[in-house]
Amino acid sequence: EPEVTQTPSHQVTQMGQEVILRCVPISNHLYFYWYRQILGQKVEFLVSFYNNEISEKSEIFDDQFSVERPDGSNFTLKIRSTKLEDSAMYFCASSEARGTGVMGTEAFFGQGTRLTVV
Amino acid sequence: QQQVKQSPQSLIVQKGGISIINCAYENTAFDYFPWYQQFPGKGPALLIAIRPDVSEKKEGRFTISFNKSAKQFSLHIMDSQPGDSATYFCAASMWDTDKLIFGTGTRLQVFP
Repeated sequence: EPEVTQTPSHQVTQMGQEVILRCVPISNHLYFYWYRQILGQKVEFLVSFYNNEISEKSEIFDDQFSVERPDGSNFTLKIRSTKLEDSAMYFCASSEARGTGVMGTEAFFGQGTRLTVV
Repeated sequence: QQQVKQSPQSLIVQKGGISIINCAYENTAFDYFPWYQQFPGKGPALLIAIRPDVSEKKEGRFTISFNKSAKQFSLHIMDSQPGDSATYFCAASMWDTDKLIFGTGTRLQVFP
């Protein structure tokens, strides 16, 4: 069964350092997403990406964050200068079409990258 | 108005019992209501979803009940099994947005 894969599974970084979280979406999917889940809290939308550009972003997704699809298979989230409050589980997701709403296509989530900022 | 409120925070059920998790929303523009199941160390996985034009959807032991006038929806797990022990998230979205808005999650434990 096709799946979304994320690397690394756990990343520890020092405050102020840049991190890149990597994702390989399902191959025929066109929409890509990043969500995060701070420990014990709900899953929150960060950004969606389609046709090589950001489709939608949340208030959380400020100038410290960027996304990129550097080749035909990877989708990355970069945090430029990490803060303690960036510590969270980051989930990548992908869908064939827009993952929600009237099209109702399922968004498939990866297993997550746990980011710990110290 | 973008929130989805979920209760209870945790739930303990005996094997064979019925697990019920409730969610409420304010925004009447929401038109898609999925439930996600998350096991420890894994990402959320779609379990079942409903649209507001139906009041109930059943898939195996899992049923969503939807009350449009009350702006509430719930997940019922019949004949709950220890393998159902996981965190369950309700979510909502609108046709003109990419994002899912998640509830705060319910940790379900089913004891034999």
